[in-house]
Amino acid sequence: DVKVTQSSRYLVKRTGEKVFLECVQDMDHENMFWYRQDPGLGLRLIYFSYDVKMKEKGDIPEGYSVSREKKERFSLILESASTNQTSMYLCASSIGTDGYEQYFGPGTRLTVT
Amino acid sequence: GESVGLHLPTLSVQEGDNSIINCAYSNSASDYFIWYKQESGKGPQFIIDIRSNMDKRQGQRVTVLLNKTVKHLSLQIAATQPGDSAVYFCAVGSGGYNKLIFGAGTRLAVHP
Repeated sequence: DVKVTQSSRYLVKRTGEKVFLECVQDMDHENMFWYRQDPGLGLRLIYFSYDVKMKEKGDIPEGYSVSREKKERFSLILESASTNQTSMYLCASSIGTDGYEQYFGPGTRLTVT
Repeated sequence: GESVGLHLPTLSVQEGDNSIINCAYSNSASDYFIWYKQESGKGPQFIIDIRSNMDKRQGQRVTVLLNKTVKHLSLQIAATQPGDSAVYFCAVGSGGYNKLIFGAGTRLAVHP
């Protein structure tokens, strides 16, 4: 079974803080993704990575950055958290070439006060 | 770019009835389609997928229908059970790197 784990289920941070969200997958997948999920908007892609040290912007990258130093780990960074970044953050991974199916972690609910 | 829409944000059904959740997509070149189920407090979980060279695929109590002519996708759940209560997302494979574009989700509520 593919396992995607996220470092925290719930996180509360203050405006202006730097926030790190960690994601680890154990199936040697090439691709990893970060989404945010808001009511009525579905899942929106923030960033993704198709290889170690490679990253691509998704649809809503503003205010975020990412890091992928090891194949199994993909980090999302909020450089200076703002209240409009309060959301559910979901990490996913997929096998790579010709593998669309994404496996999701349980999510991190981030509240910025 | 690609967009994916769902016809209903909520669907309420009686236990034992069949459920149909609909989805529309915009890009006629899309070649992969997938349905996810998300229960409260969990990440989305794979239900079933279909490629554009098929128009129907069946799983256990679920069927996905693809109509490429009108760019429409549906998920049918037979004999709906309380455990089927969740938010259902359709997603379409789009562009390079095997990205998925997600719809907004339909919340399915199953009543006894």
